[in-house]
Amino acid sequence: GQQLNQSPQSMFIQEGEDVSMNCTSSSIFNTWLWYKQDPGEGPVLLIALYKAGELTSNGRLTAQFGITRKDSFLNISASIPSDVGIYFCAHGSSNTGKLIFGQGTTLQVKP
Amino acid sequence: NAGVTQTPKFQVLKTGQSMTLQCAQDMNHNSMYWYRQDPGMGLRLIYYSASEGTTDKGEVPNGYNVSRLNKREFSLRLESAAPSQTSVYFCASRSGTGSRRYEQYFGPGTRLTVT
Repeated sequence: GQQLNQSPQSMFIQEGEDVSMNCTSSSIFNTWLWYKQDPGEGPVLLIALYKAGELTSNGRLTAQFGITRKDSFLNISASIPSDVGIYFCAHGSSNTGKLIFGQGTTLQVKP
Repeated sequence: NAGVTQTPKFQVLKTGQSMTLQCAQDMNHNSMYWYRQDPGMGLRLIYYSASEGTTDKGEVPNGYNVSRLNKREFSLRLESAAPSQTSVYFCASRSGTGSRRYEQYFGPGTRLTVT
């Protein structure tokens, strides 16, 4: 079956630091999505990537679709306390729209 | 525009009881999905409906049934709840068309405990 590996599993950083997390897949896909989940809430879409090599920013967040189409990374610059949460990568199936999710990266930010 | 709404927000059941989780979206999306989230397991797809009138099994369908009542509503039913079904359940929808066709939008979740 499809494997989607997300790392690191958790991070504990100081406010103001930059953060980087990534996802790798055993298969090639056409879509990478990055979600954030605040405690007690549903996942919220942050960035969607549709083309190999694509680099997209959303405020302090930057995500890239790897050139091999098997990986993606998410960077957060100058972290703030409200960045706390779980970050999920996901890739999509073009036929059904089903998403496969990574295990998540739990981010904690120390003020 | 409420997006995706789910009811109830919390529920406690005894083993063997049944219940239906409700989900509705007001974005005129074609596809709807039910996921469960367990610690360390990420989000796993239970059932989905690619379009009104169709439903299909996902990764973990056993013990669940679904109904796509109309384009807006997609319900998840537990016929005989088991402790292994203690989880947080999320509903999601996507348009399935246009440049954002793969993007799914999630509801706030239902936290279910089965004792």
